[in-house]
Amino acid sequence: GNSVTQMEGPVTLSEEAFLTINCTYTATGYPSLFWYVQYPGEGLQLLLKATKADDKGSNKGFEATYRKETTSFHLEKGSVQVSDSAVYFCALSPRANSKLTFGKGITLSVRP
Amino acid sequence: AAGVIQSPRHLIKEKRETATLKCYPIPRHDTVYWYQQGPGQDPQFLISFYEKMQSDNGCIPDRFSAQQFSDYHSELNMSSLELGDSALYFCASRPTSGISYNEQFFGPGTRLTVL
Repeated sequence: GNSVTQMEGPVTLSEEAFLTINCTYTATGYPSLFWYVQYPGEGLQLLLKATKADDKGSNKGFEATYRKETTSFHLEKGSVQVSDSAVYFCALSPRANSKLTFGKGITLSVRP
Repeated sequence: AAGVIQSPRHLIKEKRETATLKCYPIPRHDTVYWYQQGPGQDPQFLISFYEKMQSDNGCIPDRFSAQQFSDYHSELNMSSLELGDSALYFCASRPTSGISYNEQFFGPGTRLTVL
């Protein structure tokens, strides 16, 4: 079946540090890949997505590249801010109308 | 822009009671998904509807049922509530077409607490 594996957390960084959150997946075919962010007490917001191999999703300074050869979709940001503190979920959908399968999520805390 | 609306936002019930959660998708979104997120857990898919018909189901207990109505809103009915049902319940909707065709837009969630 489909699955998503995220690096274990939590992660604590100082403001302006470089961020990498690893995500690998198992799926047949070519799933769409997503990063969702959940701020404290709020719902899930789509951060970025990629729908085919070598696509790069980007938003708010975050980037992730769909790597078919390594089945990965790592999230990166060059300089984190305190406001980036949240829980980040990697997710996949095997087809456009399919359910999302989420990773376990990782909590990011950014110190001033 | 219009977003997914869920009601109520918070709900407290006793064991063995029933609960009904409601979801109003974004206009022109014809697919609705329900997810359950336990404390500190990732969201788990429960059930989905497309054009008022069930399209897929996941880890939904037999005590739960759901439907999508003619106006595309959906309701999740939960009976014989158990302590383990305490969770955040998300609804998401997906558009019929367009560049966001494969995106799910999430509501703010309903936090259910079973005492």
